[in-house]
Amino acid sequence: NAGVTQTPKFRVLKTGQSMTLLCAQDMNHEYMYWYRQDPGMGLRLIHYSVGEGTTAKGEVPDGYNVSRLKKQNFLLGLESAAPSQTSVYFCASSYPTSLGLAGTYEQYFGPGTRLTVT
Amino acid sequence: EDQVTQSPEALRLQEGESSSLNCSYTVSGLRGLFWYRQDPGKGPEFLFTLYSAGEEKEKERLKATLTKKESFLHITAPKPEDSATYLCAVQATGFQKLVFGTGTRLLVSP
Repeated sequence: NAGVTQTPKFRVLKTGQSMTLLCAQDMNHEYMYWYRQDPGMGLRLIHYSVGEGTTAKGEVPDGYNVSRLKKQNFLLGLESAAPSQTSVYFCASSYPTSLGLAGTYEQYFGPGTRLTVT
Repeated sequence: EDQVTQSPEALRLQEGESSSLNCSYTVSGLRGLFWYRQDPGKGPEFLFTLYSAGEEKEKERLKATLTKKESFLHITAPKPEDSATYLCAVQATGFQKLVFGTGTRLLVSP
């Protein structure tokens, strides 16, 4: 059981370049999330998905797009990278502890991708 | 707006010196409060979920408690391997999303 995996681990981009970060989970979780973590800012939610084929915006969605074509994968795209997107990106997945919105959603995180945009 | 504030930002302890980390929160309706541990260069690792005021949970040298306004993570007789950043997060009723605090960096010296 690998849990949540992310590729790549490190990447350096030039301003204006594009890239896709891949997140995969083998726990059969319904929900998946993309966060960015910056010093002093904590974890901020970019986009999330509550099931295959669905996506929704989080706290800081501008400049990012996502897709969830398969239940186990969640992709984060940067169409035109900017220096402000230099950050560490984490993917997480979760399942509800009971049916519907009454449950809690313990999230399990991947190891992260360190992205630098120059 | 849901908010989580953690204090102190950083804490330095000697091995065996017990202490507590604080997580204050404001949320429209609390569904759950979560504690995570994060080691440098790694993703957060889930520790505990607390659901209601008065609840306590323990794991090895860690004990988490919850009141209506804050949570404490008590570390008893810490060891150097407990050094990490500890994150607190809340989930509001009716939402699948978590709101995270900025964490407390704990350093335990031998």
